[in-house]
Amino acid sequence: GEDVEQSLFLSVREGDSSVINCTYTDSSSTYLYWYKQEPGAGLQLLTYIFSNMDMKQDQRLTVLLNKKDKHLSLRIADTQTGDSAIYFCAETYTGYSTLTFGKGTMLLVSP
Amino acid sequence: DGGITQSPKYLFRKEGQNVTLSCEQNLNHDAMYWYRQDPGQGLRLIYYSQIVNDFQKGDIAEGYSVSREKKESFPLTVTSAQKNPTAFYLCASTSGQGYEQYFGPGTRLTVT
Repeated sequence: GEDVEQSLFLSVREGDSSVINCTYTDSSSTYLYWYKQEPGAGLQLLTYIFSNMDMKQDQRLTVLLNKKDKHLSLRIADTQTGDSAIYFCAETYTGYSTLTFGKGTMLLVSP
Repeated sequence: DGGITQSPKYLFRKEGQNVTLSCEQNLNHDAMYWYRQDPGQGLRLIYYSQIVNDFQKGDIAEGYSVSREKKESFPLTVTSAQKNPTAFYLCASTSGQGYEQYFGPGTRLTVT
């Protein structure tokens, strides 16, 4: 079945860039997502990318997709303490289909 | 103000009791989903519904039941058959084009 893997923890200093990585196994994935979860809250959809794209930029967020290696990354520029949260990578292969999530990467931003 | 609401935010029950978690959306979304989240784990799909009066089991449906009588509402019942019900439960819905899934704020259920 499908599997999505993420590193569990990342620590950066305020003002630095953060890069959160994700690998997936399903080569038929067509949509790949990044969600943010703050403590005790639901998931916030940050951004998503279609599999026919290599890169998507949205303000401080840059998503890179390497389909050959099945690797997805999220770069946060000028990381702030408010970016401290758990970040989930997810994938699906059709619209209206269910998402498969990774276990999340905890990002800790120190002043 | 559009969105997904889940109530209550915290819920406490005694073992052996059924409990129903509410999920309502006013986004006019067709598909709705229930996930369970345990500490250090990703989200696991319990049930989902793509249209009214129809729903499918997810990966961990045992011990749970749902209904979808209205487009706006997708309540989840945690039955006494669920062996380890204490968890954070998240409801989600999908937009018209089907690829943007939005989440509610979650309900934390504690069963003792």
